[in-house]
Amino acid sequence: LAKTTQPISMDSYEGQEVNITCSHNNIATNDYITWYQQFPSQGPRFIIQGYKTKVTNEVASLFIPADRKSSTLSLPRVSLSDTAVYYCLVGDQTGANNLFFGTGTRLTVIP
Amino acid sequence: GAVVSQHPSRVICKSGTSVKIECRSLDFQATTMFWYRQFPKKSLMLMATSNEGSKATYEQGVEKDKFLINHASLTLSTLTVTSAHPEDSSFYICSAIGAGGGSTDTQYFGPGTRLTVL
Repeated sequence: LAKTTQPISMDSYEGQEVNITCSHNNIATNDYITWYQQFPSQGPRFIIQGYKTKVTNEVASLFIPADRKSSTLSLPRVSLSDTAVYYCLVGDQTGANNLFFGTGTRLTVIP
Repeated sequence: GAVVSQHPSRVICKSGTSVKIECRSLDFQATTMFWYRQFPKKSLMLMATSNEGSKATYEQGVEKDKFLINHASLTLSTLTVTSAHPEDSSFYICSAIGAGGGSTDTQYFGPGTRLTVL
């Protein structure tokens, strides 16, 4: 089961782009990378998932280099409401072993 | 789509009593549901995996007789905390994976249940 390493915390000003990098050196061939957002006293919310290269949706982009040993979640122009903990998880595409939550990154957006 | 609900959202009980938490997938059938526990300022910790119609698989260190899990249908799993004690106070979160398969299935999480044992 591939474990992940992320920075514990990050601060950013409103309107800036935020990039959060996750290391997953032991990622397996079949593993996907999934990012979740969690607000206090709420369940995690799915943000984005990818396998390689770049994935973009309406809220974020996910950059995955060729060796797939890391990934970067990019949040464009953050607002105060983006203050949350962000987790990256690695597991197979069914999600059945996509279960290890590391420390996550606590993002604080400053006015 | 892919909505998971939990009930109750918050429960306070006396030490020694049992508490049941329900997890429902509202708009999809969930072959597998997971139960997590989260302490304040900490990450989620997987407690058990439940598959419809079979016994749950518990993570190491989680007492199966204390945390009873029943996955009776493809849309409902329940977690019963038996003989609860103050140290069981925590935020319990369930998640579900759909039965339809697909290229990028992932877990969808419920909103969580805050348990406080007095």
